[in-house]
Amino acid sequence: QLQLQESGPGLVKPSETLSLTCTVSGDSFTRTDYYWGWVRQPPGKGLEWLGSIHYSGITYDNPSLKSRVTIFLDRSKKEFFLKLSSVTVADTAVYYCATGLQDAFAIWGQGTMVTVSS
Amino acid sequence: QSALTQPASLSGSPGQSITISCTATGSDIMIYNLISWYQQHPGKAPKVIISGVTQRPSGVSARFSGSKSGNTASLTISGLQAEDEADYYCSSYAGSRGHVFGPGTSVTVL
Repeated sequence: QLQLQESGPGLVKPSETLSLTCTVSGDSFTRTDYYWGWVRQPPGKGLEWLGSIHYSGITYDNPSLKSRVTIFLDRSKKEFFLKLSSVTVADTAVYYCATGLQDAFAIWGQGTMVTVSS
Repeated sequence: QSALTQPASLSGSPGQSITISCTATGSDIMIYNLISWYQQHPGKAPKVIISGVTQRPSGVSARFSGSKSGNTASLTISGLQAEDEADYYCSSYAGSRGHVFGPGTSVTVL
């Protein structure tokens, strides 16, 4: 059964780069119809899609984040990664990794809270 | 700027039906008809309950149904139950623009 688990620092300083890892368990990492994405949710607020990557390595990200997002994957480790540069307090949120077909996220990780503070 | 709008909150009594609307403004972000709905209970990850406007994933109650007319998609919850109390988010997949989420609707079961 496919499961996702986020990991990474819970505290990041302003202007630094936030780095998270999503570890995939199960056999679906090689599915060519799946996309692997990142979604975040600031405390008390709604969901925001950050970006997604296909197994082929093709990525696309939210234009509103002005190219601060980098997503890449390591097929051998069955992991994919998020880097968000130049963070501010506005980037404080629960960060989820998720996967599914191109148009919807069917499987989600449990989420990891990241606080941006000096 | 493209956006999706939803009512901030809705409520209903057990057994009643409620409908949550999701309207696209500013652009053709619903052009692909790839609308999904997510249910989120407090402290939990979102769960997809509708994809492709009307498709219910395996295991999702038949009390949830989706539809779309023009620039407005809708989620109907029939036979409201206490466990349906949650936040509901619509999402539109807009090709190269990726996934656009609505602001969410808080559903209260009276």
